[in-house]
Amino acid sequence: EAGVTQFPSHSVIEKGQTVTLRCDPISGHDNLYWYRRVMGKEIKFLLHFVKESKQDESGMPNNRFLAERTGGTYSTLKVQPAELEDSGVYFCASSDRIYNEQFFGPGTRLTVL
Amino acid sequence: SQELEQSPQSLIVQEGKNLTINCTSSKTLYGLYWYKQKYGEGLIFLMMLQKGGEEKSHEKITAKLDEKKQQSSLHITASQPSHAGIYLCGADKYRAGGTSYGKLTFGQGTILTVHP
Repeated sequence: EAGVTQFPSHSVIEKGQTVTLRCDPISGHDNLYWYRRVMGKEIKFLLHFVKESKQDESGMPNNRFLAERTGGTYSTLKVQPAELEDSGVYFCASSDRIYNEQFFGPGTRLTVL
Repeated sequence: SQELEQSPQSLIVQEGKNLTINCTSSKTLYGLYWYKQKYGEGLIFLMMLQKGGEEKSHEKITAKLDEKKQQSSLHITASQPSHAGIYLCGADKYRAGGTSYGKLTFGQGTILTVHP
């Protein structure tokens, strides 16, 4: 069974540009989560999808971040326009049920110059 | 202050030694998760504890959750270089009605180095 995959693994962009991150959860997992780790800080929750619906987006930093999960399969996280403080590692995780273990992808390392 | 306090922040041990990592919350948790991360890689799920007093083991790693569900420990017996990495505890909180939020809060992590 394939695990959670994320693309790209690394992205280097300039301030003001747009970047889109993609996450493919484990097949059949309705719950998809986005997390972020900025330098020196703990991993923090961004948002949670149940199928194609946003269950909780309380962790989204501001309206420059837009997450979608059309059709309830893969998800994208777009940052537009990117700022320096957006640099960090963005993780995606999925689970079959809310209270079950979450399996994480390898992360996307985003660097904003 | 951190919602989840992990200690120690870093740990250096000689191969073959036992070690313990702790994770403490000020609130009762719905569930407690342990993950391991190697540099540049994703989080590898180790164990999930949901019942007070629960203890789980996998190979040489044992995790325990206290009765009040506020403190957990991860114990590695006879450590090996392959155990090296960053250990993270993640916690799921109670939502009104006794269910969980689903989203995890993480500790800062413990960097483990095992010298051969």
